[in-house]
Amino acid sequence: DAGVIQSPRHEVTEMGQEVTLRCKLISGHNSLFWYRQTMMRGLELLIYFNNNVPIDDSGMPEDRFSAKMPNASFSTLKIQPSEPRDSAVYFCASSLGQNQPQHFGDGTRLSIL
Amino acid sequence: AQRVTQPEKLLSVFKGAPVELKCNYSYSGSPELFWYVQYSRQRLQLLLRHISRESIKGFTADLNKGETSFHLKKPFAQEEDSAMYYCALSGSTLGRLYFGRGTQLTVWP
Repeated sequence: DAGVIQSPRHEVTEMGQEVTLRCKLISGHNSLFWYRQTMMRGLELLIYFNNNVPIDDSGMPEDRFSAKMPNASFSTLKIQPSEPRDSAVYFCASSLGQNQPQHFGDGTRLSIL
Repeated sequence: AQRVTQPEKLLSVFKGAPVELKCNYSYSGSPELFWYVQYSRQRLQLLLRHISRESIKGFTADLNKGETSFHLKKPFAQEEDSAMYYCALSGSTLGRLYFGRGTQLTVWP
């Protein structure tokens, strides 16, 4: 199994631009988690899905952030418009169930200029 | 409410010294505890879980329900152990894993 696959690995863009981060779950996993990691705040859970349904989005910082699961194996996290304070590493993780160990992707290192 | 506390943000030891990374939790149900490791600029990886009761890379962790702790230990630290370590809590009523804020371990030569 290739594991959780995230793209792009790096993204540098100017503020105001739309950013879309992508995540492919491990085959058979039904829970999907989006995290943001920064030096200041550490690892923050943004949103998670179970069986394609968003369960808790209370960690999403603002309306500028949105996440979707168009199918059981794929998810996107979108930031529109992006701001410099959104610069962080964004991780996606999947698991066989909500309480099961999570498997993380390599992350997307996002820099908003 | 459920909570995971890692009291040390930074921990430094010399190579060959014992190391203990502390983790305390708060949860009213039956907990399941995990340790994740993140090497520099890499993904988080599951290091071990308490139900497995195994030793990975020389690390062990014992769940102490009386003290609500799940400390990670290694008798002889190696330089390659330098990384960020996260403790995580799960439980049947929680719906997801809860992570601590992490401890950055540095092992000096």
